[in-house]
Amino acid sequence: ETGVTQTPRHLVMGMTNKKSLKCEQHLGHNAMYWYKQSAKKPLELMFVYNFKEQTENNSVPSRFSPECPNSSHLFLHLHTLQPEDSALYLCASSLGTIKNIQYFGAGTRLSVL
Amino acid sequence: DQQVKQNSPSLSVQEGRISILNCDYTNSMFDYFLWYKKYPAEGPTFLISISSIKDKNEDGRFTVFLNKSAKHLSLHIVPSQPGDSAVYFCAASDTGTASKLTFGTGTRLQVTL
Repeated sequence: ETGVTQTPRHLVMGMTNKKSLKCEQHLGHNAMYWYKQSAKKPLELMFVYNFKEQTENNSVPSRFSPECPNSSHLFLHLHTLQPEDSALYLCASSLGTIKNIQYFGAGTRLSVL
Repeated sequence: DQQVKQNSPSLSVQEGRISILNCDYTNSMFDYFLWYKKYPAEGPTFLISISSIKDKNEDGRFTVFLNKSAKHLSLHIVPSQPGDSAVYFCAASDTGTASKLTFGTGTRLQVTL
């Protein structure tokens, strides 16, 4: 099993759809993260969960709704997205949140039509 | 305002030679730095890190140098191999906002035969 698994790998959705991205880590880590990477921009941190509690929301619009039911699973629920939300969404995990190396999944390539 | 900058979008180096990737930062609070490598259709993979109490860290063919006064770090790969062809991201964090990694936009390295 790979360390951090994201599904689906690709997603196309209309602006009125509701979809969810899933992330699962098999590394025994306690912290999980959602990042967004738009074309020609650096990775932008969206959310951080530590021991299932959200510790950071980086001013993300409410049409993105994260959920962390346990330390191994992280979801990103999407609804009424805009075309500018099309991007690569990456999940990461780390053992803790201080000077810890983050391990990334392969990402979900999202296209909003 | 981009706090971590990788000013060279691409770099081409011959196999066997040294590759030097550069990164500049503006936030003097950053005290932990990481380099990630990313292949197409994969997530970023951790390569090497350095704490601000050091000025050099070495791991096999990879060495990271930190110049705090210049707010500059560099990644040296020697000797470069074709498998090193990838996009390299520099990232930084400060202990105060521990969980937040700030990334650069990446440098695409191509190692030619």
